[in-house]
Amino acid sequence: NAGVMQNPRHLVRRRGQEARLRCSPVKGHSHVYWYRQLPEEGLKFMVYLQKENIIDESGMPKERFSAEFPKEGPSILRIQQVVRGDSAAYFCASSPPTQGSQGSGYTFGSGTRLTVV
Amino acid sequence: AQTVTQSQPEMSVQEAETVTLSCTYDTSESDYYLFWYKQPPSRQMILVIRQEAYKQQNATENRFSVNFQKAAKSFSLKISDSQLGDAAMYFCAYRSGGRGTYKYIFGTGTRLKVLA
Repeated sequence: NAGVMQNPRHLVRRRGQEARLRCSPVKGHSHVYWYRQLPEEGLKFMVYLQKENIIDESGMPKERFSAEFPKEGPSILRIQQVVRGDSAAYFCASSPPTQGSQGSGYTFGSGTRLTVV
Repeated sequence: AQTVTQSQPEMSVQEAETVTLSCTYDTSESDYYLFWYKQPPSRQMILVIRQEAYKQQNATENRFSVNFQKAAKSFSLKISDSQLGDAAMYFCAYRSGGRGTYKYIFGTGTRLKVLA
């Protein structure tokens, strides 16, 4: 049973380009969460999605960032017109629908390290 | 708003010795969960141990144990018989316990070095 798969593992983009980060959750998990880790910092919540729905995007910058989790296929975190400050590791995690009441830890992916040059 | 503080940016321990990593948190909630995650150089976030706030008994997982002091809002991680493979970043995390809650709040991490 594969864990959370994120790709690419490393992504280099020039300023102004678009970055697309992909996350395939654990099979059977319908909830996906994206977190960002800036250098020397802990992970910070960005967005929570269920299939075809954004539940909470309170941690996501209002501009240039968007996320989706379509009915078929992986979740996508999209960053348009990247700037140097977007350089970070972006983590995806997933959980089954009952996780919220059980307090079990998410399953995290290994992250995508985005470098903007 | 809840906060998590890890005041030790870096710690070192001799192989086979014991080390304690500190974590304090602030919350007005009574129902919550606390976690320790390990992040090795591979970047994978690995759940080490978790604690339910309503349980007085400290959680233990093999060589890993916690000292949970609810009144003091302290949640330290003790690693016994340290091994070279324990070298990693360790993050303390908080999550509210209410139904439908899902956000984790992470500390800034402690880098643990294990000396041979």
